[in-house]
Amino acid sequence: DGGITQSPKYLFRKEGQNVTLSCEQNLNHDAMYWYRQDPGQGLRLIYYSQIVNDFQKGDIAEGYSVSREKKESFPLTVTSAQKNPTAFYLCASRRGGDPSYEQYFGPGTRLTVT
Amino acid sequence: GDSVTQMEGPVTLSEEACLTINCTYTATGYPSLFWYVQYPGEGLQLLLKATKADDKGSNKGFEATYRKETTSFHLEKGSVQVSDSAVYFCALKSPRGYQKVTFGTGTKLQVIP
Repeated sequence: DGGITQSPKYLFRKEGQNVTLSCEQNLNHDAMYWYRQDPGQGLRLIYYSQIVNDFQKGDIAEGYSVSREKKESFPLTVTSAQKNPTAFYLCASRRGGDPSYEQYFGPGTRLTVT
Repeated sequence: GDSVTQMEGPVTLSEEACLTINCTYTATGYPSLFWYVQYPGEGLQLLLKATKADDKGSNKGFEATYRKETTSFHLEKGSVQVSDSAVYFCALKSPRGYQKVTFGTGTKLQVIP
């Protein structure tokens, strides 16, 4: 089955440590996205990538970094510079081109930093 | 820039009541419009979409009509069920070249038996 996988589902880290969240898709989609969701809040865009080896900052990129070395993979690193890293992180992908193509979302990773 | 405005939640309804969740948008040109649903602890799933004016998207008893004149895409359902309890997000994708999708803040729906 085609889809998006995020691992792990739950992640715990100590303050001051960098942590990398995994996102893999086998949909052959060009575009990939990372969003952050806080309790009771909407989605905020962290980074997105239109093609391999290219990515753009979203609305809240500070304290995060990404890479897009392969079409199917878009890992997100939450660095120690991120002030409030505890949140639910969602990865998505989308076929490029026509604006009618919808996004497909992964199941999310809940990161807790103490 | 592009923006999406949704009605504030939470919305609490009794089972079999009618639902309307308002969504209005601002965008350049003719965007594609989407409703996504998020169940607790999960990612978002596409509920329905419409890609041009007067199109009606529908799925699982939910409907929304792309109204260009009022820049709206309100979500409706005639009879809600407890299983419809979730957070609903309105979103748009501009026809411009870059890939950014704009989301509303989400509306939480709780349906009580």
